[in-house]
Amino acid sequence: DAGVIQSPRHEVTEMGQEVTLRCKPISGHDYLFWYRQTMMRGLELLIYFNNNVPIDDSGMPEDRFSAKMPNASFSTLKIQPSEPRDSAVYFCASSQGTGAEQYFGPGTRLTVT
Amino acid sequence: SQQGEEDPQALSIQEGENATMNCSYKTSINNLQWYRQNSGRGLVHLILIRSNEREKHSGRLRVTLDTSKKSSSLLITASRAADTASYFCATGLIQGAQKLVFGQGTRLTINP
Repeated sequence: DAGVIQSPRHEVTEMGQEVTLRCKPISGHDYLFWYRQTMMRGLELLIYFNNNVPIDDSGMPEDRFSAKMPNASFSTLKIQPSEPRDSAVYFCASSQGTGAEQYFGPGTRLTVT
Repeated sequence: SQQGEEDPQALSIQEGENATMNCSYKTSINNLQWYRQNSGRGLVHLILIRSNEREKHSGRLRVTLDTSKKSSSLLITASRAADTASYFCATGLIQGAQKLVFGQGTRLTINP
């Protein structure tokens, strides 16, 4: 298996622009997680899905952030409009079953200028 | 505040020595997991210990869990330069065990 795939790996954009991050989970996994990592705040869970349904989005910082999972093999995290404080590394992870280990993608490093 | 807090924040040892990292948490858990992150990379799962387990081994890794003290430790024996990374504990809560709460991590440096 190729593991969790994320794209793009790096994104540099200007403040106010829309940013879309993409994730392909491991086939057969029924949970998908979006995290954000910064030096100041560490690793934060933004939202997670179970069988394509959003279960907990309490970590989504603002209405500027939205996430979708149209099918079992694809998810997006969108920021519109982006702000410099959104600069971070965004990770997608997937897992199978409740209380299981999570498999992380390589991350997308987002820089908003 | 963080559910899991690692101690120390940074650790530097010589190759061949053992490295011990600790994690404390606040609320009851379903399981506790340890992850490693190399610089610029994603997290890699190392080991999972359930709340009814006290100790678990995987290769050079040994994890202990003391639910009465709400703490866990990760021991890496016979460290290697390749073990240089950040190590995170993550707690799976009883309600919503699939949701992990990560600590701030311990930065481990193995000096050759």
